[in-house]
Amino acid sequence: GQNIDQPTEMTATEGAIVQINCTYQTSGFNGLFWYQQHAGEAPTFLSYNVLDGLEEKGRFSSFLSRSKGYSYLLLKELQMKDSASYLCAVMDSNYQLIWGAGTKLIIKP
Amino acid sequence: SAVISQKPSRDICQRGTSLTIQCQVDSQVTMMFWYRQQPGQSLTLIATANQGSEATYESGFVIDKFPISRPNLTFSTLTVSNMSPEDSSIYLCSGTGTGDYNEQFFGPGTRLTVL
Repeated sequence: GQNIDQPTEMTATEGAIVQINCTYQTSGFNGLFWYQQHAGEAPTFLSYNVLDGLEEKGRFSSFLSRSKGYSYLLLKELQMKDSASYLCAVMDSNYQLIWGAGTKLIIKP
Repeated sequence: SAVISQKPSRDICQRGTSLTIQCQVDSQVTMMFWYRQQPGQSLTLIATANQGSEATYESGFVIDKFPISRPNLTFSTLTVSNMSPEDSSIYLCSGTGTGDYNEQFFGPGTRLTVL
């Protein structure tokens, strides 16, 4: 079966760095997406990785290792507004998105 | 990327009734999808809305319960039929085809409560 695992909840301090991990087992791979979802709002696209390595976009970076079925989202200089759920999603061989359950990130002052 | 709007944003309905949710995109998109999301949980794909033909439903979802229309490349509707309290959820419409990475972008969602 297809499976995506990410931690249920993480806590970090304002100004610090946090890494949210995602491991996946899917039938085929056509890219991995990270989304941010604030409570009561729709998910918004953060990043996309299809090749191994690190993609940096401002305070957010995303890493992919296809051989290990592993990705992480790195958030630097955390701000209170970063408190949200972070969803990992993998596009399988049928170009269908398989969604993780999401990681709720709590930022403390 | 394109902008998606949904109507209604929320509704409270009686058991046994039906509700139709509208999804409008401000530009043509390749694919449109309907999701359900329970509070605190991830997204569950209901179906892919196909333009001019029957939607493609995921396991556990059937056309009689969730009829979907997509008459053109910018509009789709999802009907939740014969509702029960278990249908209380947030329903999200999404589309692809206008982003750099073929990413899905979402409408604001419809919060449905069934009494």
